[in-house]
Amino acid sequence: GENVEQHPSTLSVQEGDSAVIKCTYSDSASNYFPWYKQELGKGPQLIIDIRSNVGEKKDQRIAVTLNKTAKHFSLHITETQPEDSAVYFCAVPNFGNEKLTFGTGTRLTIIP
Amino acid sequence: EAGVTQFPSHSVIEKGQTVTLRCDPISGHDNLYWYRRVMGKEIKFLLHFVKESKQDESGMPNNRFLAERTGGTYSTLKVQPAELEDSGVYFCASSPRFLTNSGNTIYFGEGSWLTVV
Repeated sequence: GENVEQHPSTLSVQEGDSAVIKCTYSDSASNYFPWYKQELGKGPQLIIDIRSNVGEKKDQRIAVTLNKTAKHFSLHITETQPEDSAVYFCAVPNFGNEKLTFGTGTRLTIIP
Repeated sequence: EAGVTQFPSHSVIEKGQTVTLRCDPISGHDNLYWYRRVMGKEIKFLLHFVKESKQDESGMPNNRFLAERTGGTYSTLKVQPAELEDSGVYFCASSPRFLTNSGNTIYFGEGSWLTVV
């Protein structure tokens, strides 16, 4: 099965600075890479995803980069704001299957 | 368009009792998933339905857990009898078929937060 590693487990960033979270995966056939944000008491919400035909995708302050050769992808949040504080999960689908395997999560805290 | 809805949102039961969680997926989504997050750890896969059929139930912890999706619409997850270690948040999610096709993704509900005392 797919093995997904996510780092760091916790991250504190001064408001206005950038945050980067990285995930590595094991199945080279994987071709879809979503990032989810889970706020306290809520379910995971998709914030951005990328498919393997592109190396980078950006949506306002959020971007995801993908390196298929090295089998890793990263979430970049720029100009961080207090509302960015949450737990972030990367996920990778199991090839030939349609379920997601999640990383262990990163608790991001934005310091005002 | 309504999202994935789950009921109850919170439940506190005693050890040995039974709890049934319900999930209504997004209309038209063939894929329905159950996931669980325990004690602030990672989100773990429990099982996957395609319409009414169980595609993969490799994540179900033991036979105290039973999931159904009669008619391929809503799904229930029953825990009987509940144990202390079953406490956590149970997420339901849905997606169209062929997840990795462009434009398809998995959408999560808000979760059913279960506490077994």
